[in-house]
Amino acid sequence: GENVEQHPSTLSVQEGDSAVIKCTYSDSASNYFPWYKQELGKRPQLIIDIRSNVGEKKDQRIAVTLNKTAKHFSLHITETQPEDSAVYFCAAIADYGGATNKLIFGTGTLLAVQP
Amino acid sequence: ETGVTQTPRHLVMGMTNKKSLKCEQHLGHNAMYWYKQSAKKPLELMFVYSLEERVENNSVPSRFSPECPNSSHLFLHLHTLQPEDSALYLCASSHLGEAAYNEQFFGPGTRLTVL
Repeated sequence: GENVEQHPSTLSVQEGDSAVIKCTYSDSASNYFPWYKQELGKRPQLIIDIRSNVGEKKDQRIAVTLNKTAKHFSLHITETQPEDSAVYFCAAIADYGGATNKLIFGTGTLLAVQP
Repeated sequence: ETGVTQTPRHLVMGMTNKKSLKCEQHLGHNAMYWYKQSAKKPLELMFVYSLEERVENNSVPSRFSPECPNSSHLFLHLHTLQPEDSALYLCASSHLGEAAYNEQFFGPGTRLTVL
């Protein structure tokens, strides 16, 4: 089955700097890769996703890149702000043709943006 | 109320108790999920109800029993739990249709403590 690894587990940056979180996956059939942000005491919320037919996607200060050959994808946050502080989870779909979405999550990265 | 709701938000129970967690989605979705979130572990998919089909993670103990009476409601029945079952239990929903791998929307979670 699919296995997703996420690094680093914690990341501390100064406000205004960039942050990069990396994930690798094992199942070459995976073709959907969402990123979720979970603020302290709140629910995970989708912030950006990418499908395997594109290599990069950007939405304002956040971007995701995908390297299918190497089976890794990354989240990039530029001009970080204190409100970006949260736990970020990557995920990958391991779907073998069924009707269900079986999201496999990484272990999460705690991002702390220092003012 | 909109989105995905869960009750109760906090639950403390003894190992001999029987309790149920409730989830309700107001998004018109046709798939619902139970996840377990433990400290320093990835989000673990427990059960999926999709198009009246139930898919479960084979590693979930039988002391967790899901019920999905309709596409808007999902329950997780708990009995004879162990202290290691203490975690945040998250419900999610999504719409399965022609566009695969649609976003999963999470509820706020139930913080469960087993004494």
